[in-house]
Amino acid sequence: QKEVEQNSGPLSVPEGAIASLNCTYSDRGSQSFFWYRQYSGKSPELIMFIYSNGDKEDGRFTAQLNKASQYVSLLIRDSQPSDSATYLCAVLTGNQFYFGTGTSLTVIP
Amino acid sequence: GAGVSQSPRYKVAKRGQDVALRCDPISGHVSLFWYQQALGQGPEFLTYFQNEAQLDKSGLPSDRFFAERPEGSVSTLKIQRTQQEDSAVYLCASSGSSGGEQYFGPGTRLTVT
Repeated sequence: QKEVEQNSGPLSVPEGAIASLNCTYSDRGSQSFFWYRQYSGKSPELIMFIYSNGDKEDGRFTAQLNKASQYVSLLIRDSQPSDSATYLCAVLTGNQFYFGTGTSLTVIP
Repeated sequence: GAGVSQSPRYKVAKRGQDVALRCDPISGHVSLFWYQQALGQGPEFLTYFQNEAQLDKSGLPSDRFFAERPEGSVSTLKIQRTQQEDSAVYLCASSGSSGGEQYFGPGTRLTVT
């Protein structure tokens, strides 16, 4: 079992809709959780991080963490074509960051 | 301020050659990580430094891979006797604190022919 699992997609949503991206992790001791966006041919760019159970909002982005279910999600409201990218979930366990394989999102104008 | 920088951005090596990849972290960042990213995959952890100390090198795939950060700032990832399976993007990331959010450099795309 991989440390971090993501649905590879592709996920397609129309412009203006809500995109929902999901991630599960295997180690209950994981302490911090991150979402990165990666455009094709570019390096990952940090979007949000969350440490505590519940929701954390930043502009159009909301990260949700449920430690009991070992589940992290990212909601993107009012999706824009510029949001089209691969979204990577990363989990910090001890000193190591484990990344999922990423979910490809396409926002259709 | 300046972000993480890496050089070279692209490197083509013949099988068997040695390569050295450089990373300049964000100034003042104590933590530095190296990752390997294959096409269509997420970054895979290679090694981690806190200042000059290499605290974890469990992700290095073989003893041909070696990393150093002698003065706690710039880091070099060296790959000896490169093989075709070493072809990937090598990403460096730095963090202001242990366990804090990481910021990535642009990566070095290594192609071994």
